[in-house]
Amino acid sequence: DAKTTQPPSMDCAEGRAANLPCNHSTISGNEYVYWYRQIHSQGPQYIIHGLKNNETNEMASLIITEDRKSSTLILPHATLRDTAVYYCIVPTGTASKLTFGTGTRLQVTL
Amino acid sequence: GAGVSQSPSNKVTEKGKDVELRCDPISGHTALYWYRQSLGQGLEFLIYFQGNSAPDKSGLPSDRFSAERTGGSVSTLTIQRTQQEDSAVYLCASSFTGGSPGYNEKLFFGSGTQLSVL
Repeated sequence: DAKTTQPPSMDCAEGRAANLPCNHSTISGNEYVYWYRQIHSQGPQYIIHGLKNNETNEMASLIITEDRKSSTLILPHATLRDTAVYYCIVPTGTASKLTFGTGTRLQVTL
Repeated sequence: GAGVSQSPSNKVTEKGKDVELRCDPISGHTALYWYRQSLGQGLEFLIYFQGNSAPDKSGLPSDRFSAERTGGSVSTLTIQRTQQEDSAVYLCASSFTGGSPGYNEKLFFGSGTQLSVL
């Protein structure tokens, strides 16, 4: 998988937007950006993915820069249940495995 | 089923015993993955199945670990002669391949099997 860089941890107040950045400067033109999260003691959960256009679903929005070298996952109104480790992944080639790095530990506080 | 099902949810075994962990993927998902996660650590890839074959088993840590998948569905991960360092949460995931580009990596994970080797 293409290398991604994320901050190790972030804090966010409940009700505020959480903006989680990811750098993927070596991304190729046909590679997607995926976001997963892992809430404590659970398996990872798919959040969203995108290629070049911004994407939105019921969980989050994904903003990808025009040069595609970075992206931001936005949780518009963070709740305590959004406290988790968030992983930004850029899979390379055909699917054989996803490599989960260390991610960003998001702590949502009252 | 509605999601990926793993059993047992918890397994305590003695060092040297063999264990089998089971994964029922989402119906129709052709790809199946095994990962493990030691306490406080990241996810470690073990093996990937496409149908019943395993084109990537590069993550299996030793020959004590093996996995099979039958009927393109259920998979079993077997650990022989368990060691204390095998203690971890073993996670299974499945995905539908052959869909539109970019969807192959949308993995659905089970809740895992917590393995404790005493």
